[in-house]
Amino acid sequence: GAVVSQHPSWVICKSGTSVKIECRSLDFQATTMFWYRQFPKQSLMLMATSNEGSKATYEQGVEKDKFLINHASLTLSTLTVTSAHPEDSSFYICSGRPIPGANVLTFGAGSRLTVL
Amino acid sequence: QKEVEQNSGPLSVPEGAIASLNCTYSDRVSQSFFWYRQYSGKSPELIMSIYSNGDKEDGRFTAQLNKASQYVSLLIRDSQPSDSATYLCAVTTFGGNSGGSNYKLTFGKGTLLTVNP
Repeated sequence: GAVVSQHPSWVICKSGTSVKIECRSLDFQATTMFWYRQFPKQSLMLMATSNEGSKATYEQGVEKDKFLINHASLTLSTLTVTSAHPEDSSFYICSGRPIPGANVLTFGAGSRLTVL
Repeated sequence: QKEVEQNSGPLSVPEGAIASLNCTYSDRVSQSFFWYRQYSGKSPELIMSIYSNGDKEDGRFTAQLNKASQYVSLLIRDSQPSDSATYLCAVTTFGGNSGGSNYKLTFGKGTLLTVNP
């Protein structure tokens, strides 16, 4: 089956620092990838859609200058949380569509970010 | 705001019983519906997908869709302790918010299921 690899699986950082999360599609090419965030006991909320070779599209209320997304190749998308603060502590999950145009998403294992 | 609603539970059933999970959605043009299972601290994994009205069975799982009522459900037969998890209903919506993507998979908050041995 289609595999999405996400790294790191967990990270602890100090307030004010930046953290980069990588998401790779291992056995399919992903022209788009979807970044979700999940707070404890809450559902997954779509943050943004990364588009290979072009700008990401962000959901309403998500600060594009704080959550930098880059999708430089068909197999790699990155999310950088800039100047992280404790309220950014969350579970970040990326996903891709192994079959272009199909609606099924395959999720990475997620990255748990804790900002001290 | 396009929403997906689920009873947060917790839903507790004895081992071997049928667990019934329900979901309603607000966007009438939604075409694809999914059930994901999420264990604590893990990312979601796809259990079932359903695209047309009626029932779809896969092993112990049956998904039911009623587009007229904007309702989708998941039945788990012969529930096992290993089925204990949060079950997320997800619905494709289109159009998005201002600046958002055209395609969007919107999740409900999930129902916590506990299967007691």
